[in-house]
Amino acid sequence: GENVEQHPSTLSVQEGDSAVIKCTYSDSASNYFPWYKQELGKGPQLIIDIRSNVGEKKDQRIAVTLNKTAKHFSLHITETQPEDSAVYFCAAIPYNAGNMLTFGGGTRLMVKP
Amino acid sequence: KAGVTQTPRYLIKTRGQQVTLSCSPISGHRSVSWYQQTPGQGLQFLFEYFSETQRNKGNFPGRFSGRQFSNSRSEMNVSTLELGDSALYLCASSSGRSSYEQYFGPGTRLTVT
Repeated sequence: GENVEQHPSTLSVQEGDSAVIKCTYSDSASNYFPWYKQELGKGPQLIIDIRSNVGEKKDQRIAVTLNKTAKHFSLHITETQPEDSAVYFCAAIPYNAGNMLTFGGGTRLMVKP
Repeated sequence: KAGVTQTPRYLIKTRGQQVTLSCSPISGHRSVSWYQQTPGQGLQFLFEYFSETQRNKGNFPGRFSGRQFSNSRSEMNVSTLELGDSALYLCASSSGRSSYEQYFGPGTRLTVT
């Protein structure tokens, strides 16, 4: 089955700096890669996603890049703000696995004012 | 549109008891997936239901079961509770068609004593 690894497990940045979180996956058949943000006491919130036929996707301060050959994808947050502080999860869905998400271990992002 | 709702939000049970958790998906969504979140194992897929049929199942014992009703609402049941079942149980809703996008509810925090 699919295995997703996520690094780093914790990340501390100054407000206004950029943050990058990286994930690798094992199943070359995976074709959908979402990123979730989870705040304390809440469920994960979908913030951006990318499909295997796209190399990069941006949404305001957030971008995701995908390298299918190397089987890794990354989340980039620019101009970080204190409200970006949360736990971020990457995930993958292999082809023909319905909606079965395999998650990375999570990254706790702390943005210092 | 209203988001995914889960009831109850908090639950305390004793070992050996059983529990039923409920999830109402986003209106129009036909797929409901369940995930278990623990500090040690992270986010793990339990099962997915689409149009009242189980479409995928994760690697959990048979004590974990679920079902989906004709209105797409879903329930999951855990029988013979063990201390290790203490976790946040999350439900995710998806249209179930060509979109993989899943939207999570706030979760049910289950504590087994």
